[in-house]
Amino acid sequence: KAGVTQTPRYLIKTRGQQVTLSCSPISGHRSVSWYQQTPGQGLQFLFEYFSETQRNKGNFPGRFSGRQFSNSRSEMNVSTLELGDSALYLCASSLGVPGQGMNTEAFFGQGTRLTVV
Amino acid sequence: AQSVTQLGSHVSVSEGALVLLRCNYSSSVPPYLFWYVQYPNQGLQLLLKYTSAATLVKGINGFEAEFKKSETSFHLTKPSAHMSDAAEYFCAVSEPKSGGSNYKLTFGKGTLLTVNP
Repeated sequence: KAGVTQTPRYLIKTRGQQVTLSCSPISGHRSVSWYQQTPGQGLQFLFEYFSETQRNKGNFPGRFSGRQFSNSRSEMNVSTLELGDSALYLCASSLGVPGQGMNTEAFFGQGTRLTVV
Repeated sequence: AQSVTQLGSHVSVSEGALVLLRCNYSSSVPPYLFWYVQYPNQGLQLLLKYTSAATLVKGINGFEAEFKKSETSFHLTKPSAHMSDAAEYFCAVSEPKSGGSNYKLTFGKGTLLTVNP
């Protein structure tokens, strides 16, 4: 069974540009979450999608957005990039069935390393 | 609001020695608790989880953790460290919501484990 796939693995962008990151969850998983990991702030929750709907959102500016497609694949977009957006962006997938809480764990991809110059 | 404190950003042990990584949490409701491991340039791998069943949880690679409600702790232990255990370890908490799922994980800052030969 294939794991969570994130593309690309590495990305270099210039300040002011925008970027789109992609995440393909494990087959059958309907929940996709995104996290930002930096040395200073650690791992921070961005947002979570289930069946194409955003269920949870973290405390990030509106420049950070995401979406989920009918096949559960997800993308996140960052517009008007700032130097501080340089980070490892991690995607996690779960079965995500409502009412079952965290009975199923989150499986993480290898991440996309974004560098803003 | 939920939070996680990992005591000790860096722990160093000798091969064969006991590994003890500390985690304390704050949560307004009985939480779900997790330990993840991250190797360099990799995503997160789940070691074990507590979801209100047995308070002593056994995970992969010989790790285990004990949920102590009175101490709000979820410390990770392994009786005998191997060189391959060298990595960064993250404790995470999630608060289950009634009537739905909450897939937002709040992570501690992480503990880097070094294993000396």
